Amino acid sequence: GAVVSQHPSWVICKSGTSVKIECRSLDFQATTMFWYRQFPKQSLMLMATSNEGSKATYEQGVEKDKFLINHASLTLSTLTVTSAHPEDSSFYICSARPWTGDWGETQYFGPGTRLLVL
Amino acid sequence: GQQLNQSPQSMFIQEGEDVSMNCTSSSIFNTWLWYKQDPGEGPVLLIALYKAGELTSNGRLTAQFGITRKDSFLNISASIPSDVGIYFCAGQFMNAGNMLTFGGGTRLMVKP
Repeated sequence: GAVVSQHPSWVICKSGTSVKIECRSLDFQATTMFWYRQFPKQSLMLMATSNEGSKATYEQGVEKDKFLINHASLTLSTLTVTSAHPEDSSFYICSARPWTGDWGETQYFGPGTRLLVL
Repeated sequence: GQQLNQSPQSMFIQEGEDVSMNCTSSSIFNTWLWYKQDPGEGPVLLIALYKAGELTSNGRLTAQFGITRKDSFLNISASIPSDVGIYFCAGQFMNAGNMLTFGGGTRLMVKP
């Protein structure tokens, strides 16, 4: 149980284009999903918290107009990198927290999406 | 977000040796978590700790939630080559929207 998928697993795009990444919780409902970015040999850095049916909460320094997040259902959140530039190349990982009525439930991570912007 | 202090940053050990890594924080947490990340993959949860002082095992892995709620350690006994990867600690505080604060990671390399 508690499986999270991401699609695509990797993507290469030209500078200036937009890229959409999907995060799905396969066997549970997630009112909250999280988006992280990880640069090589570094830890995971939280970008934003995605809440189903409401606007995402972005961490300081993360441009909300550049990284569009939509949490349309209890099992799907999408991250769109708009007008991508080479510095946006990174490993993007989502996580989902099952809602069981217990705020102590932990997060389960997707396999990540590697983005390379040329 | 703020990172936890995780040490060591890397370890290169012989197969069969025991491994110990730890995390410390200036903030208290309600939950401590330990994840393992293989190259090109997302983190996989190894052990979750929910109470101060709690000691939990998962096979050859043992982790403890520090009494002060500001630290945790992870031990791996009798390491094997497949233990290679990056281990991350993470702290979770309920009143912070359940966001995770990650340590910098410990890169483990095991020599057969």
